[in-house]
Amino acid sequence: EDQVTQSPEALRLQEGESSSLNCSYTVSGLRGLFWYRQDPGKGPEFLFTLYSAGEEKEKERLKATLTKKESFLHITAPKPEDSATYLCAVDSGTYKYIFGTGTRLKVLA
Amino acid sequence: NAGVTQTPKFQVLKTGQSMTLQCAQDMNHNSMYWYRQDPGMGLRLIYYSASEGTTDKGEVPNGYNVSRLNKREFSLRLESAAPSQTSVYFCASSPRTATYEQYFGPGTRLTVT
Repeated sequence: EDQVTQSPEALRLQEGESSSLNCSYTVSGLRGLFWYRQDPGKGPEFLFTLYSAGEEKEKERLKATLTKKESFLHITAPKPEDSATYLCAVDSGTYKYIFGTGTRLKVLA
Repeated sequence: NAGVTQTPKFQVLKTGQSMTLQCAQDMNHNSMYWYRQDPGMGLRLIYYSASEGTTDKGEVPNGYNVSRLNKREFSLRLESAAPSQTSVYFCASSPRTATYEQYFGPGTRLTVT
Protein backbone atom coordinates (compact mmCIF):
# COMPACT_ATOMS: atom_id res chain seq x y z
CA GLU A 1 0.00 0.00 0.00
CA ASP A 2 1.30 3.46 -0.89
CA GLN A 3 2.22 5.44 2.20
CA VAL A 4 3.79 8.74 3.23
CA THR A 5 5.23 9.33 6.71
CA GLN A 6 6.53 12.65 7.97
CA SER A 7 8.76 13.20 10.97
CA PRO A 8 8.97 14.72 13.42
CA GLU A 9 5.32 15.55 14.10
CA ALA A 10 6.36 18.81 15.73
CA LEU A 11 9.60 20.77 15.91
CA ARG A 12 10.58 23.82 17.92
CA LEU A 13 13.65 25.76 16.83
CA GLN A 14 15.35 28.90 17.98
CA GLU A 15 15.67 31.59 15.35
CA GLY A 16 18.81 30.80 13.32
CA GLU A 17 18.90 27.13 14.37
CA SER A 18 18.99 25.08 11.17
CA SER A 19 17.26 21.71 10.94
CA SER A 20 15.64 19.20 8.56
CA LEU A 21 12.19 17.73 8.16
CA ASN A 22 11.78 14.21 6.83
CA CYS A 23 9.27 12.68 4.43
CA SER A 24 9.62 8.95 3.82
CA TYR A 25 7.50 7.21 1.26
CA THR A 26 6.64 3.80 -0.09
CA VAL A 27 4.96 3.92 -3.48
CA SER A 28 4.98 1.55 -6.39
CA GLY A 29 6.28 4.14 -8.81
CA LEU A 30 7.09 7.68 -7.79
CA ARG A 31 6.20 10.28 -10.39
CA GLY A 32 6.67 13.31 -8.21
CA LEU A 33 7.03 14.47 -4.63
CA PHE A 34 5.61 17.78 -3.46
CA TRP A 35 6.24 20.03 -0.50
CA TYR A 36 3.60 22.45 0.76
CA ARG A 37 3.45 24.99 3.55
CA GLN A 38 0.21 25.46 5.49
CA ASP A 39 -0.45 28.36 7.84
CA PRO A 40 -3.19 28.03 10.49
CA GLY A 41 -6.65 28.49 9.03
CA LYS A 42 -5.39 28.58 5.44
CA GLY A 43 -5.00 26.24 2.51
CA PRO A 44 -1.70 24.56 1.65
CA GLU A 45 0.70 26.68 -0.38
CA PHE A 46 2.90 24.96 -2.97
CA LEU A 47 6.66 25.07 -2.37
CA PHE A 48 8.50 22.47 -4.46
CA THR A 49 8.17 19.53 -6.83
CA LEU A 50 10.90 16.88 -7.01
CA TYR A 51 10.83 14.22 -9.71
CA SER A 52 13.88 11.99 -9.36
CA ALA A 53 16.46 10.87 -6.82
CA GLY A 54 19.30 13.34 -6.46
CA GLU A 55 17.20 16.34 -7.41
CA GLU A 56 17.35 19.46 -5.23
CA LYS A 57 15.27 22.66 -5.18
CA GLU A 58 15.84 25.84 -3.19
CA LYS A 59 13.74 28.81 -2.21
CA GLU A 60 15.01 31.40 0.25
CA ARG A 61 15.86 29.50 3.46
CA LEU A 62 14.33 26.22 2.26
CA LYS A 63 16.02 23.44 0.34
CA ALA A 64 14.30 20.20 -0.66
CA THR A 65 16.16 17.03 -1.59
CA LEU A 66 15.02 13.62 -2.79
CA THR A 67 16.36 10.07 -2.51
CA LYS A 68 14.75 6.82 -3.59
CA LYS A 69 13.06 6.40 -0.21
CA GLU A 70 12.72 9.84 1.34
CA SER A 71 12.81 13.57 0.96
CA PHE A 72 14.23 16.20 3.27
CA LEU A 73 13.22 19.80 3.69
CA HIS A 74 16.22 21.63 5.06
CA ILE A 75 15.59 24.95 6.80
CA THR A 76 18.66 27.15 7.10
CA ALA A 77 18.75 29.90 9.73
CA PRO A 78 14.97 29.92 10.17
CA LYS A 79 12.99 32.99 11.17
CA PRO A 80 9.74 33.17 13.14
CA GLU A 81 7.82 33.71 9.90
CA ASP A 82 8.86 30.22 8.81
CA SER A 83 6.57 28.81 11.50
CA ALA A 84 3.91 26.69 9.79
CA THR A 85 2.94 23.10 9.08
CA TYR A 86 4.93 21.57 6.24
CA LEU A 87 3.18 18.90 4.20
CA CYS A 88 4.66 16.32 1.90
CA ALA A 89 2.69 14.55 -0.86
CA VAL A 90 3.55 11.96 -3.48
CA ASP A 91 2.08 11.23 -6.87
CA SER A 92 2.36 7.56 -7.69
CA GLY A 93 0.73 7.93 -11.06
CA THR A 94 -2.82 7.13 -10.03
CA TYR A 95 -4.04 10.75 -10.32
CA LYS A 96 -4.34 10.72 -6.55
CA TYR A 97 -1.85 12.43 -4.34
CA ILE A 98 -1.04 10.83 -0.99
CA PHE A 99 -0.39 13.38 1.73
CA GLY A 100 1.56 12.95 4.92
CA THR A 101 0.20 14.31 8.18
CA GLY A 102 2.72 17.12 8.27
CA THR A 103 5.38 18.57 10.56
CA ARG A 104 4.36 21.52 12.74
CA LEU A 105 7.31 23.89 12.89
CA LYS A 106 7.59 26.63 15.48
CA VAL A 107 10.51 29.06 15.27
CA LEU A 108 11.09 31.08 18.41
CA ALA A 109 12.53 34.60 18.31
CA ASN B 1 -6.13 36.85 -10.29
CA ALA B 2 -7.83 35.28 -7.25
CA GLY B 3 -6.56 31.70 -7.76
CA VAL B 4 -8.93 29.23 -6.09
CA THR B 5 -11.91 30.61 -4.19
CA GLN B 6 -14.30 28.71 -1.92
CA THR B 7 -17.62 29.60 -0.35
CA PRO B 8 -18.69 29.59 2.38
CA LYS B 9 -15.75 29.96 4.78
CA PHE B 10 -17.68 28.55 7.73
CA GLN B 11 -20.87 26.53 8.02
CA VAL B 12 -22.79 24.81 10.79
CA LEU B 13 -25.33 22.16 9.85
CA LYS B 14 -27.66 19.93 11.77
CA THR B 15 -27.56 16.20 11.13
CA GLY B 16 -29.59 15.39 8.03
CA GLN B 17 -29.37 18.83 6.45
CA SER B 18 -27.90 19.27 3.00
CA MET B 19 -25.57 21.86 1.56
CA THR B 20 -23.31 22.59 -1.37
CA LEU B 21 -19.74 23.86 -1.12
CA GLN B 22 -18.71 26.01 -4.04
CA CYS B 23 -15.28 26.24 -5.64
CA ALA B 24 -14.01 28.29 -8.56
CA GLN B 25 -10.58 28.80 -10.13
CA ASP B 26 -9.41 31.45 -12.56
CA MET B 27 -6.14 29.82 -13.67
CA ASN B 28 -7.63 27.96 -16.66
CA HIS B 29 -6.73 24.65 -15.02
CA ASN B 30 -8.18 21.43 -16.36
CA SER B 31 -8.22 19.40 -13.14
CA MET B 32 -9.97 20.11 -9.87
CA TYR B 33 -10.11 18.29 -6.53
CA TRP B 34 -11.99 18.16 -3.25
CA TYR B 35 -10.16 17.15 -0.05
CA ARG B 36 -11.04 16.94 3.57
CA GLN B 37 -8.54 17.58 6.37
CA ASP B 38 -9.02 16.12 9.83
CA PRO B 39 -6.73 16.39 12.88
CA GLY B 40 -4.00 13.75 12.84
CA MET B 41 -4.77 12.69 9.29
CA GLY B 42 -3.35 13.85 6.02
CA LEU B 43 -5.45 15.52 3.39
CA ARG B 44 -7.77 12.88 1.93
CA LEU B 45 -9.18 13.06 -1.56
CA ILE B 46 -12.97 12.96 -1.78
CA TYR B 47 -13.56 13.41 -5.52
CA TYR B 48 -11.64 14.79 -8.43
CA SER B 49 -12.34 15.99 -11.95
CA ALA B 50 -9.54 15.34 -14.40
CA SER B 51 -11.17 17.57 -16.99
CA GLU B 52 -14.43 19.34 -17.70
CA GLY B 53 -17.23 16.81 -17.97
CA THR B 54 -15.54 14.05 -15.93
CA THR B 55 -15.59 13.22 -12.24
CA ASP B 56 -14.14 10.30 -10.30
CA LYS B 57 -14.15 9.02 -6.74
CA GLY B 58 -11.19 9.52 -4.49
CA GLU B 59 -10.31 7.85 -1.22
CA VAL B 60 -13.37 8.88 0.85
CA PRO B 61 -16.36 9.56 -1.47
CA ASN B 62 -19.20 8.12 0.63
CA GLY B 63 -21.80 10.72 1.58
CA TYR B 64 -20.71 13.22 -1.05
CA ASN B 65 -21.56 14.13 -4.61
CA VAL B 66 -19.82 16.50 -6.99
CA SER B 67 -20.61 18.51 -10.09
CA ARG B 68 -18.10 19.96 -12.54
CA LEU B 69 -20.30 22.81 -13.67
CA ASN B 70 -17.81 24.15 -16.22
CA LYS B 71 -14.05 24.46 -16.52
CA ARG B 72 -13.92 27.01 -13.68
CA GLU B 73 -16.33 25.57 -11.13
CA PHE B 74 -16.46 22.35 -9.12
CA SER B 75 -19.02 21.93 -6.36
CA LEU B 76 -19.28 19.41 -3.51
CA ARG B 77 -22.67 18.42 -2.13
CA LEU B 78 -23.54 16.80 1.15
CA GLU B 79 -27.03 15.34 0.73
CA SER B 80 -27.63 14.35 4.35
CA ALA B 81 -24.93 15.67 6.65
CA ALA B 82 -23.56 13.49 9.45
CA PRO B 83 -21.34 14.43 12.41
CA SER B 84 -18.53 12.35 10.81
CA GLN B 85 -18.45 14.93 8.02
CA THR B 86 -17.32 17.64 10.41
CA SER B 87 -14.04 18.69 8.85
CA VAL B 88 -12.19 21.35 6.90
CA TYR B 89 -12.80 21.03 3.18
CA PHE B 90 -10.31 22.21 0.59
CA CYS B 91 -10.74 22.61 -3.12
CA ALA B 92 -7.66 22.50 -5.34
CA SER B 93 -6.84 22.79 -9.01
CA SER B 94 -3.93 21.85 -11.26
CA PRO B 95 -3.12 22.30 -14.95
CA ARG B 96 -3.71 18.57 -15.48
CA THR B 97 -3.72 15.46 -13.35
CA ALA B 98 -0.50 13.53 -12.98
CA THR B 99 2.54 15.17 -11.51
CA TYR B 100 1.52 18.78 -11.47
CA GLU B 101 1.41 20.87 -8.35
CA GLN B 102 -2.02 21.61 -6.99
CA TYR B 103 -3.19 25.03 -5.88
CA PHE B 104 -5.49 25.13 -2.91
CA GLY B 105 -8.34 27.37 -1.86
CA PRO B 106 -8.68 28.85 1.65
CA GLY B 107 -10.97 26.07 2.89
CA THR B 108 -14.46 25.70 4.36
CA ARG B 109 -14.76 24.79 8.01
CA LEU B 110 -17.89 22.64 8.39
CA THR B 111 -19.41 21.56 11.68
CA VAL B 112 -22.28 19.07 11.77
CA THR B 113 -24.14 18.87 15.09
